[in-house]
Amino acid sequence: DGGITQSPKYLFRKEGQNVTLSCEQNLNHDAMYWYRQDPGQGLRLIYYSQIVNDFQKGDIAEGYSVSREKKESFPLTVTSAQKNPTAFYLCASSIGLAGVSGELFFGEGSRLTVL
Amino acid sequence: AQSVAQPEDQVNVAEGNPLTVKCTYSVSGNPYLFWYVQYPNRGLQFLLKYITGDNLVKGSYGFEAEFNKSQTSFHLKKPSALVSDSALYFCAVRDLENFNKFYFGSGTKLNVKP
Repeated sequence: DGGITQSPKYLFRKEGQNVTLSCEQNLNHDAMYWYRQDPGQGLRLIYYSQIVNDFQKGDIAEGYSVSREKKESFPLTVTSAQKNPTAFYLCASSIGLAGVSGELFFGEGSRLTVL
Repeated sequence: AQSVAQPEDQVNVAEGNPLTVKCTYSVSGNPYLFWYVQYPNRGLQFLLKYITGDNLVKGSYGFEAEFNKSQTSFHLKKPSALVSDSALYFCAVRDLENFNKFYFGSGTKLNVKP
């Protein structure tokens, strides 16, 4: 079945450590996104990518980095510069501009806790 | 800038009663509107979307939404609520003029009591 796979589901990190969250999709979608979810704040966009080897900062990119070397993969690194990284992270994809009516498809999320 | 607002943090309804979860939007150009549902510790699941055409959009699990251009609203509805509908609901708008970004409301928690 086609979909988006995020790993790990749960991750614990010590302060000062970088961690990388994996996101893989087999939907052949051009666009991929990372969102952060905190209680009562909805979803906030961290980074997004419209095409391979290109990505843009979202609304809360500070302390995060991404890469898009393959169409299927869009990993997110939470760096030590992110002051409050404990959150639920959601990866999503969409057809992209070619399919203007397309919706977002989400992975099951990764919960990061800083100890 | 595009945005959506969900004015209610929580909606409580008895099982079997109709439910409405409210969403208002602010967009330049044609609105592309979506509803998603999220169960605890899970990703978001797509329910329905409005792109163009009929103002009443039907979606998954018996949900529907009514697009009202004059009131800039896109309320989610269901004629008869189920306990299993209890979840967090998000309204979203797609901004085709701004790098294809999606903007989400803050979410509404729906509680359906037996």
